[in-house]
Amino acid sequence: RKEVEQDPGPFNVPEGATVAFNCTYSNSASQSFFWYRQDCRKEPKLLMSVYSSGNEDGRFTAQLNRASQYISLLIRDSKLSDSATYLCVVKTSYDKVIFGPGTSLSVIP
Amino acid sequence: EPEVTQTPSHQVTQMGQEVILRCVPISNHLYFYWYRQILGQKVEFLVSFYNNEISEKSEIFDDQFSVERPDGSNFTLKIRSTKLEDSAMYFCASRDGGENGVPNQPQHFGDGTRLSIL
Repeated sequence: RKEVEQDPGPFNVPEGATVAFNCTYSNSASQSFFWYRQDCRKEPKLLMSVYSSGNEDGRFTAQLNRASQYISLLIRDSKLSDSATYLCVVKTSYDKVIFGPGTSLSVIP
Repeated sequence: EPEVTQTPSHQVTQMGQEVILRCVPISNHLYFYWYRQILGQKVEFLVSFYNNEISEKSEIFDDQFSVERPDGSNFTLKIRSTKLEDSAMYFCASRDGGENGVPNQPQHFGDGTRLSIL
């Protein structure tokens, strides 16, 4: 089983839609979880950290289920500028970080 | 907003040559990282570095790779004898220690060095 897996995508959604991304991780000792976004040929940029109780930042909501080793990201009211690849990132030990393969999102006018 | 800066933005090197990629992390950050991303593939962890030592490294980070922080500001990745398959985007990242050094602070990435091996 791969260390971090994500929905293969791509997701093509109209503006204003709600879209959810899923991520699973294999190492039950993983400590920290993040969602990053990456635009084409650019560096990953932090979108949000993911906390055990779930957290929200504007239109973005992240959830963590440690028992199921599952992380999700919900984007409400999608904008054209949300088009990017969304990367699930897991810290598996003290300082080793694993990126998922990413899920591509295209928001269509 | 402070940034991680990387130089050069693009490096072209002959196979078998040594290459050094440079990074200036955010000034108050204590933890430093290198990643690579082969075109069309996922971001892969190479190495983490703290207190002048490697903390963790991946299987990719073999004897051909080394890192150092020679002067307290630059953080470098050296590839001793480059191979064609080393062609990739290399990202440097840094983070601070967080409260009580808790290792859950997010990393901030530089905009990468594109390494092309001919």
